[in-house]
Amino acid sequence: ILNVEQSPQSLHVQEGDSTNFTCSFPSSNFYALHWYRWETAKSPEALFVMTLNGDEKKKGRISATLNTKEGYSYLYIKGSQPEDSATYLCALGSGTYKYIFGTGTRLKVLA
Amino acid sequence: KAGVTQTPRYLIKTRGQQVTLSCSPISGHRSVSWYQQTPGQGLQFLFEYFSETQRNKGNFPGRFSGRQFSNSRSEMNVSTLELGDSALYLCASSLGGRPYYEQYFGPGTRLTVT
Repeated sequence: ILNVEQSPQSLHVQEGDSTNFTCSFPSSNFYALHWYRWETAKSPEALFVMTLNGDEKKKGRISATLNTKEGYSYLYIKGSQPEDSATYLCALGSGTYKYIFGTGTRLKVLA
Repeated sequence: KAGVTQTPRYLIKTRGQQVTLSCSPISGHRSVSWYQQTPGQGLQFLFEYFSETQRNKGNFPGRFSGRQFSNSRSEMNVSTLELGDSALYLCASSLGGRPYYEQYFGPGTRLTVT
């Protein structure tokens, strides 16, 4: 059974701090790695899709890296703002077309 | 471009009943996936449809079924509801069926089984 793990489970940071989360996945059967932001009472919003080892993606203050050989991805937020407060999910797209989600990292940015 | 829509948004049903949820994908998207989210659990993959064909199914009992129509709209059906089926059900659409396509999620249907 494929398992995707995220750490930490939750995080409180001060406004302006930079932070990062980890997504670990089995490196076999890898096809793609997705990151989503899920704010309370909203739908999950796609942040990045990464497919190649060494991929780096950036959107504003948020960036992500991918290491498919060792099976992990990092999500970085630079200069956290209160509006970054959300649950950040990663999902493994496997060769069998299934999407396997981690349980997420809940981020709270304190003003 | 209109986003993914799901109906109904909220639903209360009794044990033993059945329920049908609907998902309309973004125009032009041919893949629709369904997920269940319960407290303490991540999003659990239910199934994926592409061009009216179910291509994959997660580890859920046969009480959970779905279908996709020629216009890509999808329905999910749960028969003989159990208390444990109370959850948020999300659907997501993508342009293609490969797992490197971005998924766009709907607002979800909150199902409560009493």
